[in-house]
Amino acid sequence: AQSVSQHNHHVILSEAASLELGCNYSYGGTVNLFWYVQYPGQHLQLLLKYFSGDPLVKGIKGFEAEFIKSKFSFNLRKPSVQWSDTAEYFCAVNARDNQGGKLIFGQGTELSVKP
Amino acid sequence: EPEVTQTPSHQVTQMGQEVILRCVPISNHLYFYWYRQILGQKVEFLVSFYNNEISEKSEIFDDQFSVERPDGSNFTLKIRSTKLEDSAMYFCASKIMTGGYYEQYFGPGTRLTVT
Repeated sequence: AQSVSQHNHHVILSEAASLELGCNYSYGGTVNLFWYVQYPGQHLQLLLKYFSGDPLVKGIKGFEAEFIKSKFSFNLRKPSVQWSDTAEYFCAVNARDNQGGKLIFGQGTELSVKP
Repeated sequence: EPEVTQTPSHQVTQMGQEVILRCVPISNHLYFYWYRQILGQKVEFLVSFYNNEISEKSEIFDDQFSVERPDGSNFTLKIRSTKLEDSAMYFCASKIMTGGYYEQYFGPGTRLTVT
């Protein structure tokens, strides 16, 4: 069965600090990978996605993620966080051969950025 | 930009009552989903719906749950006899096409509180 694990439950950073949120998945087949963000009081929004090609993907708001197949990882990074990045971040996968494309989510990481 | 909308934003109900959660997916999307997130836990897949039928459902989606697309715009989740453990945030999502390559767009969620 598919599963997704996010290493950090709550991360607290000061503005301008660098961010890396860990995500590992478990699945025997080929997957598509996603990072979603949920700002306070808002809905889940897609930050970035990986389907194929260059394993380093760039998303919105200066975020990027790197797919390392050998490690089953898809870590999210940002070189310099801002107060407005305070949100909850969810890693998710779906199996490429699943027509329905249901998403399996990690447990989320709450990011608090201090001004 | 088109959005998925959900109503109500918060529903309070008594145990044993029926509730219907409503969603309006993005108009040209073909695939629809319900997910839920119990407070402090992962976002979990409940059901996917395509071509007027359920395409996949999780173990959570038992006989107490049903989904319907009663007209060309709405997509509903019904819980026949609510239990305390059904208290959660319920997210609707939609996707334009079949297959895992396409992004799911999420609504803002309905917070269901069962007392």
